[in-house]
Amino acid sequence: GAGVSQSPSNKVTEKGKDVELRCDPISGHTALYWYRQSLGQGLEFLIYFQGNSAPDKSGLPSDRFSAERTGGSVSTLTIQRTQQEDSAVYLCASSLASGTSTDTQYFGPGTRLTVL
Amino acid sequence: GDSVTQMEGPVTLSEEAFLTINCTYTATGYPSLFWYVQYPGEGLQLLLKATKADDKGSNKGFEATYRKETTSFHLEKGSVQVSDSAVYFCALLGSGGSNYKLTFGKGTLLTVNP
Repeated sequence: GAGVSQSPSNKVTEKGKDVELRCDPISGHTALYWYRQSLGQGLEFLIYFQGNSAPDKSGLPSDRFSAERTGGSVSTLTIQRTQQEDSAVYLCASSLASGTSTDTQYFGPGTRLTVL
Repeated sequence: GDSVTQMEGPVTLSEEAFLTINCTYTATGYPSLFWYVQYPGEGLQLLLKATKADDKGSNKGFEATYRKETTSFHLEKGSVQVSDSAVYFCALLGSGGSNYKLTFGKGTLLTVNP
C-alpha cells in the first residue's frame, strides 16, 4: 500500500515568508508525528497528533510554528515569518496507534526547506 | 530525559567487511529500540527493532540485540555491500508518559567501497 507522502519535496523561500508543508499519512494510521532533521540538531520531535486528542506541541521551537490535522488524516505544518535557522528537512511519520512502546513509526520522504 | 548515543562517523569499509555501529541509551523503564536507515536522497526507513530485553532484531543481514544490562543496541552485519552505504540512526521509544516521541542518535554515515 501507499506509504506516508509529503509535499512539496523541496521548498525554497525568502526570509520572512510563510510556508505550509503537507503530510498524508498511511491510511488507517491514527497517530501522526512531525520531526525536523537539521545539521546542527539532528532529528528532533516537533508535534504529535493522536485521534481527536489534543496534540502534543511540546517540540515546536517557537510560536511561529503551528500544525493542524484535519479530519484525522492530512496534516499541515505552517511556519510563519521564516528564518534562516528554519532551514531543515521536515519529516512526517504515522503509526497505527500510540500508547504502546511497540508502535512503529513510518516516515515520509520529507520536505527540504531552504530559507534564503 | 531519554537520550541515545551512537558512534560518531563517518565509517568507511570495504565490501564484505564486518560492520559494528555502537549505540547506547539512557531511559527510564523499558523502552523499545530501533535502527532506522536513510539511503542517499531518501527518507528514513525502519531497518529493525527490538521491544524487550534480550530480543534480537534482524533484517537484510543486519542484527542488533537489546542488552538491558549494558543499555546497548549495537548494529552488526557480517558482510557489508556497497548498497549498504547510508546513514544509520539508532532510536528509542520510551515507556513513560511521552511514549510516542522517538529519540534519535545523531546518525552514523557508512560508506562501503567496492
